[in-house]
Amino acid sequence: QKEVEQNSGPLSVPEGAIASLNCTYSDRGSQSFFWYRQYSGKSPELIMFIYSNGDKEDGRFTAQLNKASQYVSLLIRDSQPSDSATYLCAVNGGSARQLTFGSGTQLTVLP
Amino acid sequence: KAGVTQTPRYLIKTRGQQVTLSCSPISGHRSVSWYQQTPGQGLQFLFEYFSETQRNKGNFPGRFSGRQFSNSRSEMNVSTLELGDSALYLCASSLGGTRDTQYFGPGTRLTVL
Repeated sequence: QKEVEQNSGPLSVPEGAIASLNCTYSDRGSQSFFWYRQYSGKSPELIMFIYSNGDKEDGRFTAQLNKASQYVSLLIRDSQPSDSATYLCAVNGGSARQLTFGSGTQLTVLP
Repeated sequence: KAGVTQTPRYLIKTRGQQVTLSCSPISGHRSVSWYQQTPGQGLQFLFEYFSETQRNKGNFPGRFSGRQFSNSRSEMNVSTLELGDSALYLCASSLGGTRDTQYFGPGTRLTVL
């Protein structure tokens, strides 16, 4: 069974710090990787996607992918209280067009 | 461009009833996927439709079914509702390729009493 594991939370960081969120996946055939943010009572909102090994930066967000280690991470620089949410790692594997989600990491940024 | 829309936003049903949820994808998107989100199980894939055909199906009982229309709008039906079907049902649309991003609608909150 394809699995996606996220580092256990909740995670608290002070405002302005770097938040590091981690995710591992079991299916070596996985091709695309996504980070979604979900505020309480809302639907998931796309933050980043990454397909290739290495880093991808978008503003304060950096996604990192290491396919050999089956590991994907999200770094949030200069964390803001508005970043407080649950972050979901999602993996789209092989020929399937379905996302397998991790259980999420709840992030709290303290003012 | 308008986002994914779902109706209704909230539903209360009783055990044994059936329910139909609707999803309108982003204009130009031909793939619609459905997910169930519960506190205990997280986000789980139900099924995906593309060009009116079900392409993928998750591990849910046959009480869960869906369809897609020629305009890409999709409906999901749950028959013989059980208490455990209480969840947030999310619809996501994409262009349909294996790497295409899925964009989520606001969800339908279903409560089964």
